[in-house]
Amino acid sequence: GDSVTQMEGPVTLSEEAFLTINCTYTATGYPSLFWYVQYPGEGLQLLLKATKADDKGSNKGFEATYRKETTSFHLEKGSVQVSDSAVYFCALSDNYGQNFVFGPGTRLSVLP
Amino acid sequence: SQTIHQWPATLVQPVGSPLSLECTVEGTSNPNLYWYRQAAGRGLQLLFYSVGIGQISSEVPQNLSASRPQDRQFILSSKKLLLSDSGFYLCAWSHNEQFFGPGTRLTVL
Repeated sequence: GDSVTQMEGPVTLSEEAFLTINCTYTATGYPSLFWYVQYPGEGLQLLLKATKADDKGSNKGFEATYRKETTSFHLEKGSVQVSDSAVYFCALSDNYGQNFVFGPGTRLSVLP
Repeated sequence: SQTIHQWPATLVQPVGSPLSLECTVEGTSNPNLYWYRQAAGRGLQLLFYSVGIGQISSEVPQNLSASRPQDRQFILSSKKLLLSDSGFYLCAWSHNEQFFGPGTRLTVL
């Protein structure tokens, strides 16, 4: 079945450092890909998404490019802030937008 | 715009007691609905999903059950809670992407 693998955390960075969180997937068909963010004690919020190969999703300085050849959707940000501290989930959905598969989540801590 | 509500926000229950968590969605019709559980510091575990009233698919055998009595209402229940049922319960609905509720933190003592 479909699956999502992402780098295990926790990831600890200093403010203004460059962030990469790796995400790879296995899926049949043409899944849509997502990054969600979860702040402490809250539900998940959609951060960005891409629906087809070579699409780039971006939001709040975060970016991820749908790479079909490497089955990857790595999350990047050029300069992280303390407020970016959260858990980040990579996810995919099937062609019909019904079945969603989430990675295990990566906890990011940004220190001032 | 669409919104999703969950209540209660927090709950502390003794082992063996019943459970009822409620989720409602506003601003959309016939949504796909989902219940997830998140153990402390862990990822998401899909428990149930529903594509329509009275239609429930269970992903994991357990002492929990779900019901969808109305189009935009999804209820998670248990007759007797276990210690292992403690966790953060998230309801979600989908339309091309998933939208999550604020969650219910359940502690079973």
